[in-house]
Amino acid sequence: NAGVTQTPKFQVLKTGQSMTLQCAQDMNHNSMYWYRQDPGMGLRLIYYSASEGTTDKGEVPNGYNVSRLNKREFSLRLESAAPSQTSVYFCASSELTSWGNYGYTFGSGTRLTVV
Amino acid sequence: QKEVEQDPGPLSVPEGAIVSLNCTYSNSAFQYFMWYRQYSRKGPELLMYTYSSGNKEDGRFTAQVDKSSKYISLFIRDSQPSDSATYLCAMSDGTGRRALTFGSGTRLQVQP
Repeated sequence: NAGVTQTPKFQVLKTGQSMTLQCAQDMNHNSMYWYRQDPGMGLRLIYYSASEGTTDKGEVPNGYNVSRLNKREFSLRLESAAPSQTSVYFCASSELTSWGNYGYTFGSGTRLTVV
Repeated sequence: QKEVEQDPGPLSVPEGAIVSLNCTYSNSAFQYFMWYRQYSRKGPELLMYTYSSGNKEDGRFTAQVDKSSKYISLFIRDSQPSDSATYLCAMSDGTGRRALTFGSGTRLQVQP
Protein backbone atom coordinates (compact mmCIF):
# COMPACT_ATOMS: atom_id res chain seq x y z
CA ASN A 1 0.00 0.00 0.00
CA ALA A 2 2.52 2.64 -1.19
CA GLY A 3 0.15 5.58 -1.79
CA VAL A 4 2.33 8.65 -2.39
CA THR A 5 6.09 8.17 -2.36
CA GLN A 6 8.50 11.07 -2.07
CA THR A 7 12.25 10.99 -2.52
CA PRO A 8 14.56 11.94 -0.99
CA LYS A 9 13.38 12.13 2.63
CA PHE A 10 16.18 14.49 3.69
CA GLN A 11 18.49 16.79 1.76
CA VAL A 12 21.04 19.48 2.55
CA LEU A 13 21.93 21.87 -0.26
CA LYS A 14 24.33 24.74 -0.56
CA THR A 15 22.99 28.07 -1.75
CA GLY A 16 22.86 28.11 -5.54
CA GLN A 17 22.71 24.34 -5.99
CA SER A 18 19.86 22.74 -7.86
CA MET A 19 17.86 19.63 -7.11
CA THR A 20 14.69 17.80 -8.06
CA LEU A 21 12.22 16.39 -5.57
CA GLN A 22 10.47 13.31 -6.88
CA CYS A 23 6.89 12.24 -6.20
CA ALA A 24 4.98 9.20 -7.44
CA GLN A 25 1.48 7.92 -6.65
CA ASP A 26 0.00 4.52 -7.37
CA MET A 27 -3.71 5.31 -6.80
CA ASN A 28 -4.46 6.38 -10.38
CA HIS A 29 -5.32 9.89 -9.17
CA ASN A 30 -5.63 12.66 -11.72
CA SER A 31 -4.55 15.59 -9.56
CA MET A 32 -1.21 16.11 -7.85
CA TYR A 33 0.16 18.92 -5.68
CA TRP A 34 3.31 20.29 -4.13
CA TYR A 35 3.09 22.09 -0.78
CA ARG A 36 5.68 23.52 1.54
CA GLN A 37 5.16 23.62 5.30
CA ASP A 38 6.88 26.14 7.52
CA PRO A 39 6.35 26.77 11.26
CA GLY A 40 3.34 29.02 11.82
CA MET A 41 2.59 29.21 8.08
CA GLY A 42 0.72 25.98 7.55
CA LEU A 43 0.66 24.30 4.16
CA ARG A 44 1.25 26.64 1.25
CA LEU A 45 0.62 25.50 -2.31
CA ILE A 46 3.59 25.80 -4.65
CA TYR A 47 2.25 24.20 -7.86
CA TYR A 48 -0.44 21.76 -8.77
CA SER A 49 -1.43 19.62 -11.71
CA ALA A 50 -5.15 19.06 -12.15
CA SER A 51 -4.54 16.36 -14.73
CA GLU A 52 -1.75 14.90 -16.81
CA GLY A 53 -0.36 17.54 -19.14
CA THR A 54 -1.43 20.58 -17.10
CA THR A 55 0.29 22.53 -14.34
CA ASP A 56 -0.68 25.72 -12.52
CA LYS A 57 0.98 28.05 -10.07
CA GLY A 58 -0.11 28.10 -6.49
CA GLU A 59 0.44 30.62 -3.72
CA VAL A 60 4.26 30.52 -3.59
CA PRO A 61 5.67 29.41 -7.00
CA ASN A 62 8.72 31.70 -7.23
CA GLY A 63 11.99 29.79 -7.36
CA TYR A 64 10.36 26.49 -8.33
CA ASN A 65 9.45 24.61 -11.47
CA VAL A 66 7.43 21.44 -11.90
CA SER A 67 7.02 18.65 -14.40
CA ARG A 68 4.06 16.29 -14.64
CA LEU A 69 6.01 13.47 -16.23
CA ASN A 70 3.01 11.14 -16.56
CA LYS A 71 -0.12 10.37 -14.57
CA ARG A 72 1.89 8.84 -11.72
CA GLU A 73 4.79 11.27 -11.34
CA PHE A 74 5.04 14.95 -10.46
CA SER A 75 8.46 16.45 -9.77
CA LEU A 76 9.48 19.74 -8.18
CA ARG A 77 12.73 21.42 -9.18
CA LEU A 78 14.72 24.09 -7.39
CA GLU A 79 17.00 25.67 -9.98
CA SER A 80 19.11 27.78 -7.62
CA ALA A 81 18.39 26.99 -3.99
CA ALA A 82 18.15 29.81 -1.44
CA PRO A 83 18.05 29.63 2.38
CA SER A 84 14.42 30.84 2.23
CA GLN A 85 13.57 27.53 0.58
CA THR A 86 14.51 25.61 3.72
CA SER A 87 11.26 23.83 4.50
CA VAL A 88 9.40 20.54 4.58
CA TYR A 89 7.95 19.73 1.18
CA PHE A 90 4.87 17.57 0.77
CA CYS A 91 3.49 16.02 -2.36
CA ALA A 92 -0.17 15.02 -2.47
CA SER A 93 -2.60 13.49 -4.90
CA SER A 94 -6.37 13.35 -5.17
CA GLU A 95 -9.19 12.24 -7.41
CA LEU A 96 -11.67 14.79 -8.68
CA THR A 97 -15.13 13.84 -7.50
CA SER A 98 -18.40 15.33 -8.68
CA TRP A 99 -17.99 18.02 -6.04
CA GLY A 100 -14.31 18.73 -6.22
CA ASN A 101 -11.19 17.42 -4.59
CA TYR A 102 -11.17 16.73 -0.91
CA GLY A 103 -9.45 13.51 0.04
CA TYR A 104 -5.84 14.39 -0.48
CA THR A 105 -3.30 11.62 0.14
CA PHE A 106 0.01 13.05 1.26
CA GLY A 107 3.50 11.66 1.06
CA SER A 108 5.73 11.59 4.13
CA GLY A 109 7.62 14.73 3.14
CA THR A 110 11.11 15.86 2.15
CA ARG A 111 13.02 17.85 4.73
CA LEU A 112 15.22 20.30 2.85
CA THR A 113 17.86 22.53 4.39
CA VAL A 114 19.66 25.16 2.31
CA VAL A 115 22.85 26.48 3.87
CA GLN B 1 -5.77 38.68 5.37
CA LYS B 2 -5.61 34.92 5.06
CA GLU B 3 -8.66 33.17 3.67
CA VAL B 4 -8.56 30.66 6.53
CA GLU B 5 -7.54 31.50 10.09
CA GLN B 6 -6.84 28.83 12.67
CA ASP B 7 -5.95 29.14 16.34
CA PRO B 8 -2.27 28.19 16.42
CA GLY B 9 -2.15 26.67 19.87
CA PRO B 10 -0.33 24.82 21.19
CA LEU B 11 -3.14 23.34 23.20
CA SER B 12 -2.33 21.09 26.16
CA VAL B 13 -5.11 19.13 27.85
CA PRO B 14 -5.33 16.21 30.30
CA GLU B 15 -6.38 12.79 29.08
CA GLY B 16 -10.16 12.46 28.94
CA ALA B 17 -10.80 16.16 28.28
CA ILE B 18 -13.05 17.49 25.55
CA VAL B 19 -11.04 19.37 22.96
CA SER B 20 -12.36 22.11 20.69
CA LEU B 21 -10.40 23.13 17.59
CA ASN B 22 -11.61 26.01 15.45
CA CYS B 23 -11.18 27.77 12.11
CA THR B 24 -12.75 30.84 10.59
CA TYR B 25 -12.82 31.68 6.91
CA SER B 26 -13.60 34.68 4.77
CA ASN B 27 -14.36 33.20 1.34
CA SER B 28 -18.08 32.47 1.07
CA ALA B 29 -17.38 30.24 -1.95
CA PHE B 30 -16.03 27.53 0.35
CA GLN B 31 -18.58 24.74 0.46
CA TYR B 32 -16.69 21.68 1.67
CA PHE B 33 -14.78 21.46 4.91
CA MET B 34 -12.21 18.98 6.05
CA TRP B 35 -10.03 18.22 9.02
CA TYR B 36 -6.63 16.65 8.60
CA ARG B 37 -4.48 15.19 11.37
CA GLN B 38 -0.70 15.34 11.15
CA TYR B 39 1.56 13.39 13.46
CA SER B 40 5.09 14.62 14.02
CA ARG B 41 7.33 14.07 10.98
CA LYS B 42 4.46 12.61 8.95
CA GLY B 43 2.24 13.86 6.17
CA PRO B 44 -1.32 15.02 6.96
CA GLU B 45 -4.10 12.45 6.75
CA LEU B 46 -7.80 13.10 6.20
CA LEU B 47 -9.77 12.78 9.42
CA MET B 48 -13.24 14.08 8.55
CA TYR B 49 -15.05 16.00 5.87
CA THR B 50 -18.43 17.66 5.74
CA TYR B 51 -20.54 19.79 3.45
CA SER B 52 -23.62 21.09 5.11
CA SER B 53 -23.99 23.31 8.13
CA GLY B 54 -24.53 21.32 11.29
CA ASN B 55 -22.75 18.45 12.96
CA LYS B 56 -21.18 15.26 11.67
CA GLU B 57 -20.06 12.62 14.13
CA ASP B 58 -17.49 9.85 13.73
CA GLY B 59 -16.67 8.00 16.93
CA ARG B 60 -15.06 10.43 19.35
CA PHE B 61 -14.83 13.15 16.70
CA THR B 62 -17.51 15.69 15.77
CA ALA B 63 -17.15 18.22 12.97
CA GLN B 64 -19.34 21.29 13.16
CA VAL B 65 -19.94 23.84 10.41
CA ASP B 66 -21.69 27.19 10.68
CA LYS B 67 -21.70 28.68 7.20
CA SER B 68 -23.60 31.79 8.30
CA SER B 69 -20.76 32.67 10.68
CA LYS B 70 -18.03 31.20 8.45
CA TYR B 71 -16.83 29.12 11.38
CA ILE B 72 -15.95 25.44 11.68
CA SER B 73 -14.98 23.33 14.66
CA LEU B 74 -13.67 19.89 15.47
CA PHE B 75 -14.54 18.41 18.85
CA ILE B 76 -12.67 15.47 20.33
CA ARG B 77 -14.36 13.66 23.22
CA ASP B 78 -12.48 11.58 25.77
CA SER B 79 -9.16 12.73 24.35
CA GLN B 80 -6.29 10.23 24.37
CA PRO B 81 -2.51 10.69 24.28
CA SER B 82 -2.65 9.16 20.80
CA ASP B 83 -4.66 12.22 19.69
CA SER B 84 -1.55 14.37 20.20
CA ALA B 85 -0.89 15.81 16.76
CA THR B 86 -1.34 18.93 14.68
CA TYR B 87 -4.85 19.40 13.32
CA LEU B 88 -5.34 21.34 10.09
CA CYS B 89 -8.63 22.55 8.73
CA ALA B 90 -9.02 22.66 4.95
CA MET B 91 -11.65 24.07 2.62
CA SER B 92 -12.78 23.67 -0.96
CA ASP B 93 -15.11 25.61 -3.24
CA GLY B 94 -16.23 22.30 -4.71
CA THR B 95 -15.40 23.13 -8.29
CA GLY B 96 -12.13 21.23 -8.43
CA ARG B 97 -10.52 24.20 -10.15
CA ARG B 98 -8.67 25.25 -6.99
CA ALA B 99 -6.56 23.21 -4.67
CA LEU B 100 -7.61 22.97 -1.04
CA THR B 101 -6.91 25.95 1.19
CA PHE B 102 -5.44 24.93 4.52
CA GLY B 103 -5.35 26.60 7.91
CA SER B 104 -2.00 26.92 9.62
CA GLY B 105 -2.74 24.09 12.06
CA THR B 106 -3.28 23.74 15.82
CA ARG B 107 -0.85 21.59 17.76
CA LEU B 108 -2.59 19.48 20.40
CA GLN B 109 -0.91 17.64 23.23
CA VAL B 110 -2.93 15.29 25.44
CA GLN B 111 -1.18 14.63 28.74
CA PRO B 112 -1.58 11.12 30.23
